[in-house]
Amino acid sequence: AQKVTQAQTEISVVEKEDVTLDCVYETRDTTYYLFWYKQPPSGELVFLIRRNSFDEQNEISGRYSWNFQKSTSSFNFTITASQVVDSAVYFCALSEATGTYKYIFGTGTRLKVLA
Amino acid sequence: DADVTQTPRNRITKTGKRIMLECSQTKGHDRMYWYRQDPGLGLRLIYYSFDVKDINKGEISDGYSVSRQAQAKFSLSLESAIPNQTALYFCATSRLVSDTQYFGPGTRLTVL
Repeated sequence: AQKVTQAQTEISVVEKEDVTLDCVYETRDTTYYLFWYKQPPSGELVFLIRRNSFDEQNEISGRYSWNFQKSTSSFNFTITASQVVDSAVYFCALSEATGTYKYIFGTGTRLKVLA
Repeated sequence: DADVTQTPRNRITKTGKRIMLECSQTKGHDRMYWYRQDPGLGLRLIYYSFDVKDINKGEISDGYSVSRQAQAKFSLSLESAIPNQTALYFCATSRLVSDTQYFGPGTRLTVL
C-alpha cells in the first residue's frame, strides 16, 4: 500500500538557518512520482516539484533543493538561508503510475521561520 | 486570472442544509479532483473524474456527491451537511493521471 510519512509535525528556525523537511514513502510500484507542495498562511497549495522514480538526480532551484534516495525511500526538501516568507505548511505526496488516480499526501510539516 | 477557481471561498451553514461547492478550470485538463483538508490529516480524496462521463469515489465519499457539468466544471455537493464536514475543500486538476495536480484556492466550509 502507498504511504507517505512526514514525521516532523512542526519545525521552528531562525531566519538564515538551513532547514530540511523529511519525507519517507512506501510503495510497491517501480514507477511512481513524488511531489512537494507549499501551503502558505493564505491557504492555497503551491506546487514546488515533481520527481519520477527513475530520476534520482538531486534538484536545486534557488534556495530550494531536493534529495531523492530510493535506497531509503526518502525525498527530502532543504531550504537554504531560510526567510520569513518560507513560513508555511509543506506537504509531500506520492502518486503511483500504474493506472491509479490518486495522490497520497503526508500530513504536512509546519515550518516557522522567525525573524 | 487564476487557472483553477472555486466558489464560494468561505461558507457557513447549518446542519442539514444542502451545500454546493463549485470548481472551474481554464487549464484544459480532463482530470478533476475534490479533496478535503483537516488539521493533522493532510488532504484526502473525496471524488475524482477523468472526463465528463467518468466519475469515481475516493477514500471518503460518504455524505458527498459530485457533478461534472463540462470538462471545465466539477461541483461537489453535501446533501445534508453535518458538523464533521467542517473543513477546507480543494479542487484540483491534472492533464494525465500521474501528472502534477494544480489546486484551486480552497473553500473553507463551516457547518454549525
